This record gives sequence, structure tokens and C-alpha cells, in this order.
Amino acid sequence: DQQVKQNSPSLSVQEGRISILNCDYTNSMFDYFLWYKKYPAEGPTFLISISSIKDKNEDGRFTVFLNKSAKHLSLHIVPSQPGDSAVYFCAASADGNKLVFGAGTILRVKS
Amino acid sequence: GAGVSQTPSNKVTEKGKYVELRCDPISGHTALYWYRQSLGQGPEFLIYFQGTGAADDSGLPNDRFFAVRPEGSVSTLKIQRTERGDSAVYLCASSPLAGRNTGELFFGEGSRLTVL
Repeated sequence: DQQVKQNSPSLSVQEGRISILNCDYTNSMFDYFLWYKKYPAEGPTFLISISSIKDKNEDGRFTVFLNKSAKHLSLHIVPSQPGDSAVYFCAASADGNKLVFGAGTILRVKS
Repeated sequence: GAGVSQTPSNKVTEKGKYVELRCDPISGHTALYWYRQSLGQGPEFLIYFQGTGAADDSGLPNDRFFAVRPEGSVSTLKIQRTERGDSAVYLCASSPLAGRNTGELFFGEGSRLTVL
């Protein structure tokens, strides 16, 4: 029972263009959503988050959009840079502590 | 170092053996988490400590898995009678906030366990 789904295993984008990573969830009790980024042989690092009371949160080149009615969120990276190449995990929380992660999307930014 | 430290970074063991994985969280962080990441999957929650006590151990797969945090800092994840299916990267994370937090966790690099 996958409560958080990232249906695209990988995404390839040209440097300077927009990267859009998608995430769907099924548990309507989730009220906090996060994106983590992971490089090989390193632990995941926090990127950006959004509370369910908002529909958009922006931090520099990174913007997260939340559509609660569709139970869908997305991460936009503009402009994409080669250093953004990593695995991106979507995560959700219902209790502020236990995070449920998606399987991840591998982003490759080509220069 | 300033980050979450996990040892060993790699552990190869034989089926049926006992394994201990250690996590040293960021100093002052009250919350500590263990996750397990299998190949091609995202991290899967195992257990969460608030101080010395396990606040939520609902993710531990069975009674072969146990974790402690006796002094509210370092934690040890213990796996008895290891099975090949236990092979994964075990991630530890800590958080500075007590009680409900915003979910931002600081992860270590993980301990890769291989059970032959």
C-alpha cells in the first residue's frame, strides 16, 4: 500500500530549462509535505516543504505546489543546473514526526 | 563532525548473525529516527525516539529488530538472526524539535547492511 507515489522513475532535462517532479498521495490525513534530495553515497537532505494550508511555497529556484483536491504535489526547479542532478524524494507526514517517502525520481540535468 | 554520524558505513554478515548499527545524532537534537532504504525504494520508517524513549516503533518489521537510546543521544539499532531480506541501507536522522515538528530531518550517510 503505497501512500506516496512518484510515478516517474527518472527525468532528463536540459540545463537552464524547468524541471518538474511530480508526487501523488492517497492519505487525506497528510498535512505536511517535503522534498528531499539525495546524492550517491550520501543521506537525503531537506530541500523544501509545504503545509497543507498553503498551495505554493517558493525558495529561490525551487517551488513546491500542492493541489489537495487532487492529492498531488509537484516540485519545480527553474532554471535547472547540472548540480541539481540527484534523486528527489517526495515525503508526507500526518503526525509531524513519521515521514512516508515515495520511491524517488532520478533527475539528470544535461549541460 | 557537525552532522549525523553512522557506523559502520558498510557491514557484511552471514544469515543468522546478530548485527548492531550505531547512530550519533547532531548534538542537542532531541528526536532521532531510523529508516531503512531498500534498492529502488524510498526510505521506510522504522522507529522514532523522543529523548530516551521510543515514541513510535510501529515501523519495526518484526521482533528481530530492536533499537535503544539509553542516554538520549547515541542510538543503536539491533538486528537478531539476520535474514537476506534485511539487506538494505539503514538511515538515521535527527531533528532539533521536541514534540510535533515540521518534518525536516537531518540524515546520516547510512549503514549499508548486506546479509549473505
